[in-house]
Amino acid sequence: SQTIHQWPATLVQPVGSPLSLECTVEGTSNPNLYWYRQAAGRGLQLLFYSVGIGQISSEVPQNLSASRPQDRQFILSSKKLLLSDSGFYLCAWSSSTGYEQYFGPGTRLTVT
Amino acid sequence: TQLLEQSPQFLSIQEGENLTVYCNSSSVFSSLQWYRQEPGEGPVLLVTVVTGGEVKKLKRLTFQFGDARKDSSLHITAAQPGDTGLYLCAGDRRSSARQLTFGSGTQLTVLP
Repeated sequence: SQTIHQWPATLVQPVGSPLSLECTVEGTSNPNLYWYRQAAGRGLQLLFYSVGIGQISSEVPQNLSASRPQDRQFILSSKKLLLSDSGFYLCAWSSSTGYEQYFGPGTRLTVT
Repeated sequence: TQLLEQSPQFLSIQEGENLTVYCNSSSVFSSLQWYRQEPGEGPVLLVTVVTGGEVKKLKRLTFQFGDARKDSSLHITAAQPGDTGLYLCAGDRRSSARQLTFGSGTQLTVLP
């Protein structure tokens, strides 16, 4: 069966510090991968998606970036965090042919 | 831009009551998913509807996809406290990367 991992679970970082969130998927090959951000109790905003190694598409201009160094690894980064980067970050995967997306447990980021 | 509007935004009911959550758009979706999310966790897929007019039942939950594939509803019969959570609809944009457009969510609280 497929599983998706995210870490860390929670993170408190000062403004201006760098960020690296990691997501890995097990039990599947060549998944589509997604990074979302969610405000408290609200819907999900798609940040980045990837259909393959090294292939990253951005949905929203911001100071965040994403990379996919391996087939089942997706990384969300920032060189300098802003207060507005605080939120709940979710990684998800889908098969290359399926409609459904499956989510990781999320990372709660607080920028102080 | 394809937008999904969910209503109501908040719903608080007593155990045993019935409820309906709506998800509406002016755009056509090739499929629509419903997710439930609990605090501090990632959304969990409940159902996917693909065909206009389709009705799917999952125990006490009934999902319907509109004939024109622009809207969907979720009906819960005899709600229980365990149904409490954030309900999210998401439409498939039929892109190569299978991006989903998420609704703003309905926060359901079922009181014992």
